[in-house]
Amino acid sequence: SAVISQKPSRDICQRGTSLTIQCQVDSQVTMMFWYRQQPGQSLTLIATANQGSEATYESGFVIDKFPISRPNLTFSTLTVSNMSPEDSSIYLCSVDRTDSYGYTFGSGTRLTVV
Amino acid sequence: SQELEQSPQSLIVQEGKNLTINCTSSKTLYGLYWYKQKYGEGLIFLMMLQKGGEEKSHEKITAKLDEKKQQSSLHITASQPSHAGTYLCGAPSPNFGNEKLTFGTGTRLTIIP
Repeated sequence: SAVISQKPSRDICQRGTSLTIQCQVDSQVTMMFWYRQQPGQSLTLIATANQGSEATYESGFVIDKFPISRPNLTFSTLTVSNMSPEDSSIYLCSVDRTDSYGYTFGSGTRLTVV
Repeated sequence: SQELEQSPQSLIVQEGKNLTINCTSSKTLYGLYWYKQKYGEGLIFLMMLQKGGEEKSHEKITAKLDEKKQQSSLHITASQPSHAGTYLCGAPSPNFGNEKLTFGTGTRLTIIP
C-alpha cells in the first residue's frame, strides 16, 4: 500500500492567517482526497484532487477558503485560508485504494486557530 | 446523501472481554471499510468488505457485511489495551471511477484493566 508523508503534524495559527498542508506519496496515485475532522466529529470530505485539473469540492467547501494544488501524481497541498477558530480541526489527506489495502491516510495535521 | 450510523458511540470494556461495533447505512452498501484512529492521529486501515455476506478476520478482529440489512459489524475477541481508540466505518460512493468515502459517526473504545 502507498505511504503518505503529511506535514506539518500540528500547528497553532493566528486568526486571519493561512496554513498550507502538504502530502507526499511514495508512489503515483490518480486521486487524492482531503478530509476535515472537527473536534469530536467524524471525517468530512473537503475535496477530491486529480492531477492536472481543478479540484472537485464537496457541498459547503469552496476553493477560496480551501485552495488545493496537485502539481503531479505524488504530491498535493491544501491551504486553509483566512483562518478562524472554527477551522480548528484535524486535516487528513488520503489516496485511492490499491489492491486490498483500502484507502491510505496521512497521519493528519492538527490545526488550532487562536 | 448516504449516512452511516455507528453504535454504540462509546464503549468501555474490561480487558479480555469481547465486544461488537455496528455500522448501519441509510443506503445500499457497495462495500465497507473499517479504520481505527488513535487520538489525534491518522487512520489505520483494518479491513475492507466488498460483497454481501463477506466476513474477514485479522488477528482478533472480525468484520462482516450484511448488505440486505445495509449493515456491518466489527467484533473484537479478548480485547487488549492496544485495541483502544476510535473505530470508523467508511462506505464508498457508487460512482464508478470516483470513489470517495462517507464515514460513520465513530465509536470510541476504552479498555480498562
